[in-house]
Amino acid sequence: DADVTQTPRNRITKTGKRIMLECSQTKGHDRMYWYRQDPGLGLRLIYYSFDVKDINKGEISDGYSVSRQAQAKFSLSLESAIPNQTALYFCATSAHKQETQYFGPGTRLLVL
Amino acid sequence: QKEVEQDPGPLSVPEGAIVSLNCTYSNSAFQYFMWYRQYSRKGPELLMYTYSSGNKEDGRFTAQVDKSSKYISLFIRDSQPSDSATYLCASGYSTLTFGKGTMLLVSP
Repeated sequence: DADVTQTPRNRITKTGKRIMLECSQTKGHDRMYWYRQDPGLGLRLIYYSFDVKDINKGEISDGYSVSRQAQAKFSLSLESAIPNQTALYFCATSAHKQETQYFGPGTRLLVL
Repeated sequence: QKEVEQDPGPLSVPEGAIVSLNCTYSNSAFQYFMWYRQYSRKGPELLMYTYSSGNKEDGRFTAQVDKSSKYISLFIRDSQPSDSATYLCASGYSTLTFGKGTMLLVSP
């Protein structure tokens, strides 16, 4: 089984809809991250969490929110989706005080 | 200016060639340097990790960091078609900043 799983893997939604992307990990890592990847722009950090009670904004947090439900679960929400949020979204994890991050398979999101 | 700069390519080489992939970074506080490989429609996977200037070797791959010039390199010896992927450099000190990635194509 994969160490970092993301659901759904693909999603098509309409402008204005609320959508949640979920990430689960079995690696036992404390730290979790959400990135988006766009052609020509690379990976950009949206939010990160170093433990269950810690939430931090990344480079591009506007329009997104997160919830760290447990050590193993970190969800990303788009409260009112817009077309320029169409992207590939990745969750990643790392161990406490370790910088090496391990990525999930990604969620491909299309906002119409 | 993005904190980590990387030429997007694509870089096309014949099988067996030595490949050199490069990045520069601007933040002197960055302490960790990594290379990730990403196949099409997959998540990035960690390839190499170092935190000091100098070389680190793992099989056909060598990561090189020069902190004085803020330069990060990845060398691939005897490149194979299976090395065709996008290579992402990353650097940071508590979170990582990624380059945009270089697409590598190794032809048989």
